[in-house]
Amino acid sequence: SYVLTQPPSVSVAPGQTARITCGGNNIGSKSVHWYQQKPGQAPVLVVYDDSDRPSGIPERFSGSNSGNTATLTISRVEAGDEADYYCQVWDSSSDHPAFGGGTKLTVL
Amino acid sequence: QLQLQESGSGLVKPSQTLSLTCAVSGGSISSGGYSWSWIRQPPGKGLEWIGYIYHSGSTYYNPSLKSRVTISVDRSKNQFSLKLSSVTAADTAVYYCARVDGWFDPWGQGTLVTVSS
Repeated sequence: SYVLTQPPSVSVAPGQTARITCGGNNIGSKSVHWYQQKPGQAPVLVVYDDSDRPSGIPERFSGSNSGNTATLTISRVEAGDEADYYCQVWDSSSDHPAFGGGTKLTVL
Repeated sequence: QLQLQESGSGLVKPSQTLSLTCAVSGGSISSGGYSWSWIRQPPGKGLEWIGYIYHSGSTYYNPSLKSRVTISVDRSKNQFSLKLSSVTAADTAVYYCARVDGWFDPWGQGTLVTVSS
């Protein structure tokens, strides 16, 4: 199965930029999707197909994907962005999805 | 706006079968060629994909759960279901349903299922 690796935690001060990475073998050849999960809530899609945003997601959320690393970037971080973030791809070889282990974003 | 809502037993005894239903509102489960999926999250842990049912009715399951999982769809009721047999404490988790289009969106609010005698 396809393995996605995320750092367990990332910390950033309010107003700064947070970057959360998602590593995988030649992940640049796949479409990467990102979810935000706040405590006690269901995950919410914040970026799909590497860099597209669903309706209602602020422009502060952006994504990129190249080589063996995909990155979710959150600009001008706010206290309300504190959450767990998960990356996800579709493993076409098995026709199964794969999730990263999640990254806890702490706003200092 | 499409909405999904999980329902079912919140407490299941070990060795018994967990049964959950996901009701879809705001759209037809049969339109758009989407797939429909179940995902779970043990307390304090990450997301684990359980399986999905394709719009054609074909099913795909996580290999680690395949022998115990059944996902089915009831188009007349606009809902799909999950059955997980021979449960143990390790199956205690919040169970989510979601629509699939390469990505998962939207998600249901989730339902906690506890396996305990």
